[in-house]
Amino acid sequence: QLVLTQSPSASASLGASVKFTCTLSSGHGTYAITWHQQQPEKGPRYLMKISSDGSHTRGDGIPDRFSGSRSGAECYLTISSLQSEDEADYYCQTWGTGIWVFGGGTRLTVL
Amino acid sequence: EVQLVESGGGLIQPGGSLRVSCAASGFAVSRTDMTWVRQAPGKGLEWVAVIYTGGSTNYADSVKGRFIISRDNSKNTLYLQMNSLRAEDSAVYFCVRDYDYWGQGTLVTVSS
Repeated sequence: QLVLTQSPSASASLGASVKFTCTLSSGHGTYAITWHQQQPEKGPRYLMKISSDGSHTRGDGIPDRFSGSRSGAECYLTISSLQSEDEADYYCQTWGTGIWVFGGGTRLTVL
Repeated sequence: EVQLVESGGGLIQPGGSLRVSCAASGFAVSRTDMTWVRQAPGKGLEWVAVIYTGGSTNYADSVKGRFIISRDNSKNTLYLQMNSLRAEDSAVYFCVRDYDYWGQGTLVTVSS
């Protein structure tokens, strides 16, 4: 079964960096994924796609302090130079056969 | 500029029907896959349905047989017809272009 696993919460200080992990279930470790940000009381916003080879493609207007990478079935989203507006929920997403699957999301608190 | 604007949400009784819409601009809905995603209050994102460029559709098991996704190319609008609504269908419904643009959502509340 295709499952994406994320830690429920993370915290980091203003100006620091934070790295989120999204783990693909066994047998699905080469799937491409996307990352999305959802600020409080807003709709989600697409951040980037991480391909099976680890390359990433950011969405329109997404600053380069947002970056992506992967190591096998683990996909990462790194945010550097944290700002207060980065406090949000972060979701990863992938595609199965005719379906989408989301991770449970990670809530980031900026200290 | 790509824009997606959902509408049509509201309060509906269990067992009722509702159609939500997603008006698109800046691109043609017929030329890209379009998806509905929902989010129950305080919960994560849940995929609902997709319509592909060729017109074929697919649904989450939780809504299969009750919901219908469609599009009107002349109006450049995506729809989700929701029938036999249940309390657990209460959520904000978002439309998504391919995977890279989201609307702001429309709230559907199923309650007596």
